[in-house]
Amino acid sequence: RKEVEQDPGPFNVPEGATVAFNCTYSNSASQSFFWYRQDCRKEPKLLMSVYSSGNEDGRFTAQLNRASQYISLLIRDSKLSDSATYLCVVPASGNTPLVFGKGTRLSVIA
Amino acid sequence: ETGVTQSPTHLIKTRGQQVTLRCSSQSGHNTVSWYQQALGQGPQFIFQYYREEENGRGNFPPRFSGLQFPNYSSELNVNALELDDSALYLCASSLNRGINGYTFGSGTRLTVV
Repeated sequence: RKEVEQDPGPFNVPEGATVAFNCTYSNSASQSFFWYRQDCRKEPKLLMSVYSSGNEDGRFTAQLNRASQYISLLIRDSKLSDSATYLCVVPASGNTPLVFGKGTRLSVIA
Repeated sequence: ETGVTQSPTHLIKTRGQQVTLRCSSQSGHNTVSWYQQALGQGPQFIFQYYREEENGRGNFPPRFSGLQFPNYSSELNVNALELDDSALYLCASSLNRGINGYTFGSGTRLTVV
């Protein structure tokens, strides 16, 4: 299994839709996980941290399944401004701070 | 509180040349990590500096080197540039090796021709 694996998409959804992204990771010792958002030609920005089974922040819900080594991000009531690439990020073992997935592209269409 | 700033924002170099990229960490942060992001890929870890010492290195050749200064700013140096080095180079700063997460700079876009 790759260190961090994501479905690259693109996901093209209409405004108001609910969309879910999945991410699997290989390091069973990882304790914390992150979802970053990256707009085209911009730097990644932290969207959510996931430390336990999951957490919710407004329209965004992140869930963690340690047994299956699987993280998900759910976006409800999609907005045009949600269009971006969503990066799943897992701290690696040893001295590598963060391992990024390739990202999942989301396009929300009017 | 200032964020992470990187310079230059864009750079064009020819194959074989050397380049130095700079990063000023966020105020209060003592750790700087560098990442390379090729088009359509996620960022790949190059190395990290903590209190002026290298504190981890990814799978990059020795021609990628760096340092961190007493004020915790950092430089990334790449020698003998290759076409495949064309990418967005991201700097991220944190406190004590990421204990509270990482803040990214807006990156330097390097094009090697």
